[in-house]
Amino acid sequence: EVQLVESGGGLVQPGGSLRLSCVASGFGFSNYWMHWVRQVPGKGLVWISRINSIGSSISYVDSVEGRFTTSRDNAKNTLYLQMNSLRDEDTAVYYCARGVYGDHWGQGTPVSVSS
Amino acid sequence: EVVLTQSPATLSLSPGERATLSCRASQSVNNFLAWFKQSHGQAPRLLIYDTSNRATGVPARFSGSGSGTDFTLTISSLEPEDFAVYYCQQRGIWPFTFGGGTKVEIK
Repeated sequence: EVQLVESGGGLVQPGGSLRLSCVASGFGFSNYWMHWVRQVPGKGLVWISRINSIGSSISYVDSVEGRFTTSRDNAKNTLYLQMNSLRDEDTAVYYCARGVYGDHWGQGTPVSVSS
Repeated sequence: EVVLTQSPATLSLSPGERATLSCRASQSVNNFLAWFKQSHGQAPRLLIYDTSNRATGVPARFSGSGSGTDFTLTISSLEPEDFAVYYCQQRGIWPFTFGGGTKVEIK
């Protein structure tokens, strides 16, 4: 069974940092593109980052470019999102998603940026 | 970035009725258009990818169509579990983007 489990969310002050993790199981993690998507509670979805199977191609949406860093460790079947210089507007539930189509998603981890 | 406009914002229907959801893109997305369903408190679930391909395990009552900039998700006969929010999403041009969603509610 394909599983994606996010962790690392929490409450952080503006300007602070967090690192999210997404542990994958039940499939060949190293063969898939992976993605981060976020959703402000009660609002729509924003696709914020993607990374190819070997980590050599990474893209970001403009709103997080230069502040967030996506990486992966294929030996540990884990995707990461390092979030720096956090802002109020980064408050959201963060999901990881698998593959070109986003065919499997984790349950999400909530991030709250507030003083 | 590509703007996806979904209509209507809310669709009020009864179980057994047909639902037709629309998604219009601000430019061509080369048919790289997907539909996701999100039930309350849950992660999105992929229903349709590349305009008309059903994802694994998706019932046949869900179908997608369209081309260029105009796309449609049809649910042929609504089941109780189909009342949820539906999002279209494009992966033709980075950054990938979602529409604002259509809520299908019980009439």
